[in-house]
Amino acid sequence: EVQLVESGGGLVQPGGSLRLSCAASGFTFSSYWMSWVRQAPGKGLEWVANIKQDGSEKYYVDSVKGRFTISRDNAKNSLYLQMNSLRAEDTAVYYCARASYDSSGYIDAFDIWGQGTMVTVSS
Amino acid sequence: DIQLTQSPSFLSASVGDRVTITCRASQGISSYLAWYQQKPGKAPKLLIYAASTLQSGVPSRFSGSGSGTEFTLTISSLQPEDFATYYCQQLNSYPPTWTFGQGTKVEIK
Repeated sequence: EVQLVESGGGLVQPGGSLRLSCAASGFTFSSYWMSWVRQAPGKGLEWVANIKQDGSEKYYVDSVKGRFTISRDNAKNSLYLQMNSLRAEDTAVYYCARASYDSSGYIDAFDIWGQGTMVTVSS
Repeated sequence: DIQLTQSPSFLSASVGDRVTITCRASQGISSYLAWYQQKPGKAPKLLIYAASTLQSGVPSRFSGSGSGTEFTLTISSLQPEDFATYYCQQLNSYPPTWTFGQGTKVEIK
């Protein structure tokens, strides 16, 4: 079964750090761009970060640049999000997602999503 | 950055109704647009990719159309299980910052 399972969420104080993990199974993890998407309570979806198959390219939404780092370990079929200098506005459910691609190699959707992990930033 | 604007933000409809949701992009994105359905407490589910291609397993009452800057998601006959929030997403930008629309909540009338 194709699956993504996130872990690592929790309660953290403002200014603190947290590392999220996403374990992939049922597909060739190293063949796909991967992403993190978050959703603040009662709000819409916000794309957070992307990483290329070999980790050579990484992109971030402006609000997390310099604070969050996306990474992957293809040998462990795992995706990570290191979150530093956390703020109250980072409070959200964080989803990892697989980016599917068409026959030309262009990304066309996020076809597999994890169940999400909740991050709460509060004192 | 490419912005996506969905309309309406909220929609009240009855079972059996035909429902249309619009997504407008701030600049042309060809056909690199996807639609997702999200129910409370659940992860989003891919419905349509490449603007009009139905994801495997998604009922045929869902359809998508459009290219460039204007796109639509249509549900031909709304079913009880379709009451949810729907999001569009663009995947055409470079650098790849694949933004979402703000969402459209479909509720029971």
